[in-house]
Amino acid sequence: GNSVTQMEGPVTLSEEAFLTINCTYTATGYPSLFWYVQYPGEGLQLLLKATKADDKGSNKGFEATYRKETTSFHLEKGSVQVSDSAVYFCALRGGSNYKLTFGKGTLLTVNP
Amino acid sequence: AAGVIQSPRHLIKEKRETATLKCYPIPRHDTVYWYQQGPGQDPQFLISFYEKMQSDKGSIPDRFSAQQFSDYHSELNMSSLELGDSALYFCASSLGQGGTYEQYFGPGTRLTVT
Repeated sequence: GNSVTQMEGPVTLSEEAFLTINCTYTATGYPSLFWYVQYPGEGLQLLLKATKADDKGSNKGFEATYRKETTSFHLEKGSVQVSDSAVYFCALRGGSNYKLTFGKGTLLTVNP
Repeated sequence: AAGVIQSPRHLIKEKRETATLKCYPIPRHDTVYWYQQGPGQDPQFLISFYEKMQSDKGSIPDRFSAQQFSDYHSELNMSSLELGDSALYFCASSLGQGGTYEQYFGPGTRLTVT
């Protein structure tokens, strides 16, 4: 079945530091890949997505590239802000299943 | 823009009681998904509906049932509640069921079973 393995946290960075959160997946066929963000006490918000190999999703300074050869979708941001503190989930949707399969989530804390 | 609405936002129940969670999808969205997120856990898929028919089923206990109504809102009914049912329950909706259709999440219902 489908699965997502995500870098375990927590991750603590200083403001303006570079961020990478690793995500790899196992799936049949050609899944769509997503990053969701969950701020404290809130629901899940779609951060970015990619639907085919070599696609790059980007939003709010975050980027992730769909790498089929390494089955990866790593999240990056060049300069994090305190307001980026949240839990980040990598997720996939693929095959005949339209449900999302999530990774375990990575808690990011950015200190001023 | 209109978002997914879930009610109630918070619910406290005792063991063995029943609970009903409601989800109102974004207007014109015909697909609803339910997910359960335990404390410190990733969201787990429970069940989904497309055009008022169940379309997929995940790790949903037999004590839970759900349906989608003619106006496309959905209800998750939970009976014989257990302490382990305490979780955040998310509903998501999409315009269509295909893999390219984005799922929009509601704010969640936090259920606490005491």
